[in-house]
Amino acid sequence: NAGVTQTPKFQVLKTGQSMTLQCAQDMNHEYMSWYRQDPGMGLRLIHYSVGAGITDQGEVPNGYNVSRSTTEDFPLRLLSAAPSQTSVYFCASSSPERTNYGYTFGSGTRLTVV
Amino acid sequence: AQSVTQLDSHVSVSEGTPVLLRCNYSSSYSPSLFWYVQHPNKGLQLLLKYTSAATLVKGINGFEAEFKKSETSFHLTKPSAHMSDAAEYFCVVSARGSQGNLIFGKGTKLSVKP
Repeated sequence: NAGVTQTPKFQVLKTGQSMTLQCAQDMNHEYMSWYRQDPGMGLRLIHYSVGAGITDQGEVPNGYNVSRSTTEDFPLRLLSAAPSQTSVYFCASSSPERTNYGYTFGSGTRLTVV
Repeated sequence: AQSVTQLDSHVSVSEGTPVLLRCNYSSSYSPSLFWYVQHPNKGLQLLLKYTSAATLVKGINGFEAEFKKSETSFHLTKPSAHMSDAAEYFCVVSARGSQGNLIFGKGTKLSVKP
């Protein structure tokens, strides 16, 4: 099925560990974004990309790294995990023609840092 | 700058009674506005969208929203609540000049009593 695929669905990390959250879409969308969701905060933008090779910071980028080597993939790297990064992470994609029609979201990755 | 304010963090209604979830926005441009729904431990689903066409927008599952520029509001309504409507609802703005990135309200949790 076409859509946005996130892996893993759940992850527990120890403080200081690094990991990569994977995001892939098969809709040939140029725009891809990463959000984190925390209780009472809605979703906040971490990083985004408007095409392969182009990334930029969102509202809460500290502690996260991204790259966009292909149109399909947009991985999010946690360089040194901290308990404050315990959250649910959502990847989303859209295209310039479709941004007025909303983004397609993945099903999320629930990350716990202990 | 764009922003979204959801005026109620929690709304409780009885099954069969009307639902009103309130949202005010601020945008420097003509905005695109969305409502997303998130059921417990699930991803985000697009309910409806406003993209400068008709000001009364109909969405899925009987929901609708009215764009009122003079009041900078985009309230979500449903004539008769169903138990399955219990979820968290997010009002979202996407404005020109932001690469279509989404700005989320903090969410309104809807409870439906039998």
